[in-house]
Amino acid sequence: ETGVTQTPRHLVMGMTNKKSLKCEQHLGHNAMYWYKQSAKKPLELMFVYSLEERVENNSVPSRFSPECPNSSHLFLHLHTLQPEDSALYLCASSQTLAGRQPQHFGDGTRLSIL
Amino acid sequence: GNSVTQMEGPVTLSEEAFLTINCTYTATGYPSLFWYVQYPGEGLQLLLKATKADDKGSNKGFEATYRKETTSFHLEKGSVQVSDSAVYFCALRSSNTGKLIFGQGTTLQVKP
Repeated sequence: ETGVTQTPRHLVMGMTNKKSLKCEQHLGHNAMYWYKQSAKKPLELMFVYSLEERVENNSVPSRFSPECPNSSHLFLHLHTLQPEDSALYLCASSQTLAGRQPQHFGDGTRLSIL
Repeated sequence: GNSVTQMEGPVTLSEEAFLTINCTYTATGYPSLFWYVQYPGEGLQLLLKATKADDKGSNKGFEATYRKETTSFHLEKGSVQVSDSAVYFCALRSSNTGKLIFGQGTTLQVKP
């Protein structure tokens, strides 16, 4: 139990569907992150939020749309995805945006695009 | 820029063997160093950490020492178990940017 909960754990969707990934942290942290983990590739940082404001967007296609309604919740809205978007999507949180403390990760959502 | 380099895997060991996974880093300033573990079908779990030179992080029989002089943070365990089979990631976090920089991951397979 890391204190970061992601739902759903698995998601299969067609390229024309719209779905959302949810992340909730129970650690009182102020920063939250979305990462993409594809087979045979390094972890890719997608988005960073600090105190509900987006502070980083690493050239992620617009078919991925993040939302952070409060410091405990983070969403990733998906629409018109491509087969290459199939991956494990990991959410993480940390106490502050800058600093030396670790990031804590959820178990991820395994996304498969048909 | 900051970077982390881990030894190439996969590493295959017999149960009760000694484990070393090498990790070296390049960073400006004084980063914090971490080892994360990813079991099959799960996310990343923080295994251990060290925040300053000569600190030793330890957890579940694993150890790593922050060596500033050699810019290394090698992971060791005296006697591995089948349940230790997983992917291990070395990472650093710069206090300036807060970014977490990962190594490429090392797959460990322990056979009975």
